[in-house]
Amino acid sequence: GAGVSQSPSNKVTEKGKDVELRCDPISGHTALYWYRQSLGQGLEFLIYFQGNSAPDKSGLPSDRFSAERTGGSVSTLTIQRTQQEDSAVYLCASSDFYEQYFGPGTRLTVT
Amino acid sequence: DQQVKQNSPSLSVQEGRISILNCDYTNSMFDYFLWYKKYPAEGPTFLISISSIKDKNEDGRFTVFLNKSAKHLSLHIVPSQPGDSAVYFCAASARTGANNLFFGTGTRLTVIP
Repeated sequence: GAGVSQSPSNKVTEKGKDVELRCDPISGHTALYWYRQSLGQGLEFLIYFQGNSAPDKSGLPSDRFSAERTGGSVSTLTIQRTQQEDSAVYLCASSDFYEQYFGPGTRLTVT
Repeated sequence: DQQVKQNSPSLSVQEGRISILNCDYTNSMFDYFLWYKKYPAEGPTFLISISSIKDKNEDGRFTVFLNKSAKHLSLHIVPSQPGDSAVYFCAASARTGANNLFFGTGTRLTVIP
């Protein structure tokens, strides 16, 4: 079956612009996570959705970051007024139990 | 504040030999541990996991060992194959919470033919 997909695969944007990153999880997975990996760093948790519960936003680094999950499926991560330190690979994962299955990521470069 | 640490950024091993990747954690609430493998331009792929009620879990060539008292886990790959060359991430979670994973910074394994 289809795995987790993310789009775009690469995004180059100018500092100050807004960006939207999309994640299509594995069908039937109730949990969805966003992580980011900055250069030389491990994966950093950003936000977690579980079913219809309120999302866990504890990992979002600033109020410029937000995410939504529509219909319990597709998720969009939005970064407003991008900064150069936002440059990273943004990874989405979905889960039906404990193991998380990752998409290929979106590489965001802020110039 | 890195709660999961992989202190070796890289490891080179001869084909056929054993690869041992190490991971340390600081949060005693972690009760589930995973290893992920990552190839360039791809997302991490789940490899093997272990619950805190066990001290060993084996799956083919891959074995994960957990030492709770030392807050240490390791991944053994034997025999190592060139296709195992990738970045390996250790991850941990506290399943009573949001179940988000805390990742180490990764170890790049190179298996030399």
